[in-house]
Amino acid sequence: AQKITQTQPGMFVQEKEAVTLDCTYDTSDPSYGLFWYKQPSSGEMIFLIYQGSYDQQNATEGRYSLNFQKARKSANLVISASQLGDSAMYFCAMRANIIQGAQKLVFGQGTRLTINP
Amino acid sequence: EAGVAQSPRYKIIEKRQSVAFWCNPISGHATLYWYQQILGQGPKLLIQFQNNGVVDDSQLPKDRFSAERLKGVDSTLKIQPAKLEDSAVYLCASSLEVGGRKNIQYFGAGTRLSVL
Repeated sequence: AQKITQTQPGMFVQEKEAVTLDCTYDTSDPSYGLFWYKQPSSGEMIFLIYQGSYDQQNATEGRYSLNFQKARKSANLVISASQLGDSAMYFCAMRANIIQGAQKLVFGQGTRLTINP
Repeated sequence: EAGVAQSPRYKIIEKRQSVAFWCNPISGHATLYWYQQILGQGPKLLIQFQNNGVVDDSQLPKDRFSAERLKGVDSTLKIQPAKLEDSAVYLCASSLEVGGRKNIQYFGAGTRLSVL
């Protein structure tokens, strides 16, 4: 069964600094996808970035990048030049196959990121 | 493009009462998901629809939870009767496809349920 582990319950970072949020995963499927979502206090889950298991390069989306280390089964999110608006819960998730090509997302416990001015 | 719409945003009920949540997915999205997010945890899938058919409901407590997606668009999730442990945020998500490598799921703002 697929499993996502986020070991940092909370992170505190000064504004403008870079921050790395850790995520490790476990799966026996050779093909998988990893996602990061942001959940502000308003509750909505906002998609940030995706990394496929066969992608040759690490994914980047603006200030977000994914440090994908396949052998170590880690997919850490890096936020460069953090902003106050980055304060939120961050969830790492893995695509898990169900049946007939259908998929679901398996989420980690999340990391609460607080950006200090 | 409008996002996933959910209502109500908040609901407070007493145990043993019934409650219903509504979700309108992004236009054209074939797949709709209902997740339960208990405080301090990541979301957990309850049920997944493709158009108006159920793809996976293995984690849905069927003795008290039910869901439907009429005409392959809107969906409702019902709890009857509610228990204290049903207190959670109920998130609806939709995606363009059923499978596929990327298949991003887009989420609504959720309904926060408190059972007293």
